[in-house]
Amino acid sequence: KNEVEQSPQNLTAQEGEFITINCSYSVGISALHWLQQHPGGGIVSLFMLSSGKKKHGRLIATINIQEKHSSLHITASHPRDSAVYICAGGLRGSNYKLTFGKGTLLTVNP
Amino acid sequence: NAGVTQTPKFRILKIGQSMTLQCTQDMNHNYMYWYRQDPGMGLKLIYYSVGAGITDKGEVPNGYNVSRSTTEDFPLRLELAAPSQTSVYFCASRTGAGTEAFFGQGTRLTVV
Repeated sequence: KNEVEQSPQNLTAQEGEFITINCSYSVGISALHWLQQHPGGGIVSLFMLSSGKKKHGRLIATINIQEKHSSLHITASHPRDSAVYICAGGLRGSNYKLTFGKGTLLTVNP
Repeated sequence: NAGVTQTPKFRILKIGQSMTLQCTQDMNHNYMYWYRQDPGMGLKLIYYSVGAGITDKGEVPNGYNVSRSTTEDFPLRLELAAPSQTSVYFCASRTGAGTEAFFGQGTRLTVV
């Protein structure tokens, strides 16, 4: 069964802290997506990666293919980073469908 | 550049009523998807399409129908609304494998 597991489910941090959200996935997933959803809002794609590391501003995403694990890091966190972060796996050979984790609710306090 | 546009943003339906959730994308993407998001759960795939005239069922298709007459549009139809269909619905599109997914703003549907 193709699965994506995220941890933690909830994360509270103080402004300025370094944040890590983890995602483990099963065999058969060939690419990892990190998405952001603000409360009551739409979903925005942050990263898509199948190897290595990507960086955009204060956000960094890494993936370890051998360990089937990806992390999303936020440096110098800010209250506006408060959102749900969702990990999704792209399934190899399945008409490009995605399977989603349950999300991590991040709250950054000032 | 509008991206993926969903309408309406909010809707309240009575049990047994029908409605169509609209989804339009202006990026010429072949792949389009409808998902539902329930509290505490990951997004679940309802239907998807790999091009105009081609649709297929996802994980949770019961109670829904779709059509794809053009590349741009992928409407989702609820024929007989049930309380179990209360959810937030997201439409998404992609060029294809190994590409970024673009999502609409979501439609919050309540069936009472």
